[in-house]
Amino acid sequence: QSAPTQPPSASGSPGQSVTFSCTGTSSDVGGYNYVSWYQQHPGKAPKLMIYEVTKRPSGVPDRFSGSKSGNTASLTVSGLQAEDEAEYFCSSYAGRNNLVFGGGTKLTVL
Amino acid sequence: QVQLVESGGGVVQPGRSLRLSCAASEFTFSVYFMYWVRQAPGKGLEWVALISEDGSNKYYADSVKGRFTISRDNSKNTLYLQMSSLRDEDTAVYYCARVLYNYPWGMNVWGQGTTVTVSS
Repeated sequence: QSAPTQPPSASGSPGQSVTFSCTGTSSDVGGYNYVSWYQQHPGKAPKLMIYEVTKRPSGVPDRFSGSKSGNTASLTVSGLQAEDEAEYFCSSYAGRNNLVFGGGTKLTVL
Repeated sequence: QVQLVESGGGVVQPGRSLRLSCAASEFTFSVYFMYWVRQAPGKGLEWVALISEDGSNKYYADSVKGRFTISRDNSKNTLYLQMSSLRDEDTAVYYCARVLYNYPWGMNVWGQGTTVTVSS
C-alpha cells in the first residue's frame, strides 16, 4: 500500500489562500469519502482539521475547507495567518481496515 | 478536559520488547475505537494499530503485524501496545489517538506522544 502523494512544501502570504493536494489511487482517496486532514506544529501532536473530505470538527475555523475530485483530495486554507504555519498531512481509508497517510506538506507563511 | 497520556517509551535493543500505555480521562473510553500512530524522526505519520470499543476487533499495519499487539482495559481506561522483536525502523514517537464518535477513520484527540528508540 503506497502513501498518497503530497507536495513537500507550500507557501503563502498573510491573507492569501493556499491549497494542498493529496493524490492517491482508486483504492484509497478515490475509492472512499474517508479523507482526513491534520495540522501538526513542530514538536506537537497532530490536530484534526477536516474529516470525511469536507467536514470540520468543532473549533476548527471555517477558513479551512476540504474537497475531492477523482483520486485527489484538497485542503484549502483561506485568509492565511501566521499560526497556520505547520505541516499538513492527509489520510485516507484504503480498504480492509487499512489507513494511509500522505507524506505531508510544510506550509510557510511568508 | 479530554486527555490521553502515553507512557512506557525508552531506549531498547533490537529484538527486545516494550509495552506502551495510554491513559484516557474525561471521556467514556469504552465507546470509542482507539489507535496507535507513530512518527519516525523527521518523517510523516504511520498508523500502527486500531482496536474496537470492546477490544474484540484489532487491526494492524503490515509493517507491525505479528510483532505488535494492541489491547485495552476499559475498566482502567487504558490502551496498550505490546511491541516485540523490535527493529531499528520502529524508532519513532508513538501517539495514541481517539477516533471521532462512530467514525473510525479520523482521530480528533491525541496524546502528547512517547518516544521509542531502538538501538544497540
